[in-house]
Amino acid sequence: GAGVSQTPSNKVTEKGKYVELRCDPISGHTALYWYRQSLGQGPEFLIYFQGTGAADDSGLPNDRFFAVRPEGSVSTLKIQRTERGDSAVYLCASSSGQGIDTQYFGPGTRLTVL
Amino acid sequence: AQSVAQPEDQVNVAEGNPLTVKCTYSVSGNPYLFWYVQYPNRGLQFLLKYITGDNLVKGSYGFEAEFNKSQTSFHLKKPSALVSDSALYFCAVSLDNYGQNFVFGPGTRLSVLP
Repeated sequence: GAGVSQTPSNKVTEKGKYVELRCDPISGHTALYWYRQSLGQGPEFLIYFQGTGAADDSGLPNDRFFAVRPEGSVSTLKIQRTERGDSAVYLCASSSGQGIDTQYFGPGTRLTVL
Repeated sequence: AQSVAQPEDQVNVAEGNPLTVKCTYSVSGNPYLFWYVQYPNRGLQFLLKYITGDNLVKGSYGFEAEFNKSQTSFHLKKPSALVSDSALYFCAVSLDNYGQNFVFGPGTRLSVLP
């Protein structure tokens, strides 16, 4: 059980559809983060979980985006009524949640909205 | 609000030569600084971080970075570049203990020429 895993690695959908992106953090990590990386840019913070609760969701762009982490481990990022502008790589990271700890990133899910 | 600048989109260096990838930051408190590397179609990999203490921080793969408070910089360096170092490098800053306010720079593409 090495690093952070994300599924699917690629997702192609049509405008208006609903998508779910999954993140499986490093075992024992209580903190989990979602970022979005558009082409040619650095990752942009979306939401942060400490345990089961969303401690900071200030980066979610609008109410079409929602994320859950019901058991404090796996997290799902949900996007409703997808738009072409949602196309990006969605990155998940986890950390121990203690002090100023390093965030370890998964490989990302590349979302393409046609 | 904190921000990170990476003034060079692209850095080219010959194999065996020293390399520097620049990063400057703007924060209102004490910064916690990180460098990550991203290889094609892969997630971000942690290189090193500055929290407190020695201004010179040593990290993975022979990389190091120097924290300079007066110049608000955290440049990444390596004494002798390898072709395999060619990748996208991101500087990030966090203000808080849990890192939910990670702000990334736009990235610098490093090309090491044989």
